[in-house]
Amino acid sequence: NAGVTQTPKFQVLKTGQSMTLQCAQDMNHEYMSWYRQDPGMGLRLIHYSVGAGITDQGEVPNGYNVSRSTTEDFPLRLLSAAPSQTSVYFCASSYSDRGIEGAFFGQGTRLTVV
Amino acid sequence: GQQVMQIPQYQHVQEGEDFTTYCNSSTTLSNIQWYKQRPGGHPVFLIQLVKSGEVKKQKRLTFQFGEAKKNSSLHITATQTTDVGTYFCAGTQGGKLIFGQGTELSVKP
Repeated sequence: NAGVTQTPKFQVLKTGQSMTLQCAQDMNHEYMSWYRQDPGMGLRLIHYSVGAGITDQGEVPNGYNVSRSTTEDFPLRLLSAAPSQTSVYFCASSYSDRGIEGAFFGQGTRLTVV
Repeated sequence: GQQVMQIPQYQHVQEGEDFTTYCNSSTTLSNIQWYKQRPGGHPVFLIQLVKSGEVKKQKRLTFQFGEAKKNSSLHITATQTTDVGTYFCAGTQGGKLIFGQGTELSVKP
């Protein structure tokens, strides 16, 4: 049972480049989310999904796109990378928004934009 | 929108001392979850509180949910070096899980 798998683990981008952060879960969870973590800022919600075909914006959605074509996958796209997007990105999934198991997080992607 | 504030941001304690982190929401929460993140790791779910005034214990950890369901606390008794990490509270709203800024705990042996 792999849980939540994020790829890549590390990435360096040049300003203006685009890329996709991959997230996959094998627990048949309906809820999936993307967070970014910056020092002193905690975990800020970028986008989330409550099921396949349904996505919505979180606290800091600008500069990011998501789609949810399957239950398992929830990729995060950076359209035109900026240095302000240098951060650690976490994908999370859960059975619901108030499940007794809470949310399961991937190992994170450390992104540097130069 | 929902905001979750957490204090303190940092806490340095001597091993054996107690530790408490506090979480406050601008709106009434349907539930609150607590997570721990070890240095270099990812957040790991600890517990969920749902009922007003609820208190739950996990060994040396005590979690409380306020009567008005707008605040919560995590108390660790007699800290150990294994408690090092950042503790986050998170409130749910319409499918969104909103996190506080976290409290980073360091423990001096």
